[in-house]
Amino acid sequence: DQQVKQNSPSLSVQEGRISILNCDYTNSMFDYFLWYKKYPAEGPTFLISISSIKDKNEDGRFTVFLNKSAKHLSLHIVPSQPGDSAVYFCAAASGGSNYKLTFGKGTLLTVNP
Amino acid sequence: DADVTQTPRNRITKTGKRIMLECSQTKGHDRMYWYRQDPGLGLRLIYYSFDVKDINKGEISDGYSVSRQAQAKFSLSLESAIPNQTALYFCATSGPGQGTGYTFGSGTRLTVV
Repeated sequence: DQQVKQNSPSLSVQEGRISILNCDYTNSMFDYFLWYKKYPAEGPTFLISISSIKDKNEDGRFTVFLNKSAKHLSLHIVPSQPGDSAVYFCAAASGGSNYKLTFGKGTLLTVNP
Repeated sequence: DADVTQTPRNRITKTGKRIMLECSQTKGHDRMYWYRQDPGLGLRLIYYSFDVKDINKGEISDGYSVSRQAQAKFSLSLESAIPNQTALYFCATSGPGQGTGYTFGSGTRLTVV
């Protein structure tokens, strides 16, 4: 049973526009959520996170929104740039310091110049 | 030097062979993890270790074993490799608190023929 779901395998947007990547989760024990970005031939790198006590976290062009009642989070990238083209993984955690991350399947974002 | 180093970067091996993937980290963290990535399946947890004396199975541990030789070293072994273990393998480490989640290595691409 997949606890973290990214239902869109791919997304294509134009440079300068907004990219919205979505993620749903089923486990109500998750209390921390993260987005990772992965380029080919590299490991995933941390992008942005949000605690379940918040509904929004912003870092430059990246904003993550959390809707706990819907068990849904989204990553907004504004404006999108060609260098943002990568696979984006949504991840969720529970268990405090000794946690392990559960990942979604990823969404391939392509930003066209 | 990278925070998390995985060796080898690429490996082709034959069915039935034993193979070890190595991981070392310079972050000084206690927690280490092994994930595998398959196309369309995202990142799935194989084994994890919260300290040197702690080893835990993840969701797909069958056919794998691990050794935590020191705080900085966590190796993954395939006792008798089979073709469906062909995948991209990632090692990761995390510090106290959920913070930025994991720091990943660059991955080992393993092909079993």
